[in-house]
Amino acid sequence: DTGVSQDPRHKITKRGQNVTFRCDPISEHNRLYWYRQTLGQGPEFLTYFQNEAQLEKSRLLSDRFSAERPKGSFSTLEIQRTEQGDSAMYLCASSLRTSFQNSYEQYFGPGTRLTVT
Amino acid sequence: GIQVEQSPPDLILQEGANSTLRCNFSDSVNNLQWFHQNPWGQLINLFYIPSGTKQNGRLSATTVATERYSLLYISSSQTTDSGVYFCAVAGGGAGGTSYGKLTFGQGTILTVHP
Repeated sequence: DTGVSQDPRHKITKRGQNVTFRCDPISEHNRLYWYRQTLGQGPEFLTYFQNEAQLEKSRLLSDRFSAERPKGSFSTLEIQRTEQGDSAMYLCASSLRTSFQNSYEQYFGPGTRLTVT
Repeated sequence: GIQVEQSPPDLILQEGANSTLRCNFSDSVNNLQWFHQNPWGQLINLFYIPSGTKQNGRLSATTVATERYSLLYISSSQTTDSGVYFCAVAGGGAGGTSYGKLTFGQGTILTVHP
């Protein structure tokens, strides 16, 4: 296992631009989560995928945000028309859930730090 | 939704001291994890402990699910233990559907001086 990876690690963009982040989960993990963390706060849940299906979205995820997980492998998170309030660390996590396993343990990637100027 | 409270918010220690961090949560859970966030923002898994007691070197954790709290013990602290410690839970309350999304506490900022 190489762990959860995220790309890019840092992104600086101007207000109004679109940005896209990528997350590669641990191989064979069927659950993938996106979280957002602002300075001095704990991470907050944004959205969740089981395989390719997006099963839950937080109210934090405005219409400008969209996430996909084609083929149930990597995932992308796109933010359209970025605003300064979007500046945060975006974290991806994955876990494996089967009918034979009771562990829900999540493993996090290194995050993408977004700065909107 | 489920509420998570961590205490203390800040903790300053001398190297070699022991400490206890607490996490209270408002509903039954099927996942409880402790993380250490390093200065670069990486969340490092310390324990997956929805109930019971676990130990890993100088760190140990106990979760009393019936009383809705968890404790993280750090013994013989080192400067490398400095950072933010988060408790995160996923609810399993009656009638609820949990996909395992974690709710995080506000964290405890630990500073260990040499």
